[in-house]
Amino acid sequence: KNQVEQSPQSLIILEGKNCTLQCNYTVSPFSNLRWYKQDTGRGPVSLTIMTFSENTKSNGRYTATLDADTKQSSLHITASQLSDSASYICVVSSTYNTDKLIFGTGTRLQVFP
Amino acid sequence: NAGVTQTPKFQVLKTGQSMTLQCAQDMNHNSMYWYRQDPGMGLRLIYYSASEGTTDKGEVPNGYNVSRLNKREFSLRLESAAPSQTSVYFCASSEIQRRLAGETQYFGPGTRLLVL
Repeated sequence: KNQVEQSPQSLIILEGKNCTLQCNYTVSPFSNLRWYKQDTGRGPVSLTIMTFSENTKSNGRYTATLDADTKQSSLHITASQLSDSASYICVVSSTYNTDKLIFGTGTRLQVFP
Repeated sequence: NAGVTQTPKFQVLKTGQSMTLQCAQDMNHNSMYWYRQDPGMGLRLIYYSASEGTTDKGEVPNGYNVSRLNKREFSLRLESAAPSQTSVYFCASSEIQRRLAGETQYFGPGTRLLVL
């Protein structure tokens, strides 16, 4: 069964610190992996999209990595800000069924001053 | 550009009542989607419309119907609401249909629905 698992479920860090969120997937054959940020009470917003041939992509203080061999991805946040408090969702699609995106349950990040 | 807009923002229904959730996008996107988000679960696709005039079932279509009214608007209807349909509903749109890798989906702010 195609699955996307994220860890940790929740994370608390102090403002200015770095953190890394993990995503493991069993989706096969793999097409692409996305990271979304979802603020409380809002819809998800795309941060990055990576295909099979890409192993790192940055968007400001957000850097996503992808290891297609081990089926793992990480999202690294540098110099965290209070506005980074949100849920971060990993989403994977398969070339076998490209109509379907498989969403992880997200990591809830809270940044405190 | 307003992006993707949804109405209403909140709704309380009694079991058996019907309602329509409205979604509109002003980005001239071809594809539109309806998802539901429940605690402890990832977003799940209810229905999608790859282009104007077409609709297809997603992962959890039972109890819902959709209408792609025109290129801008995609509505979701609950004919007879049930407590299991209590959820947050998100509409999304993308420029091209999902079959092509790399397209970004843009989400609306969501509709919070409580069915008593």
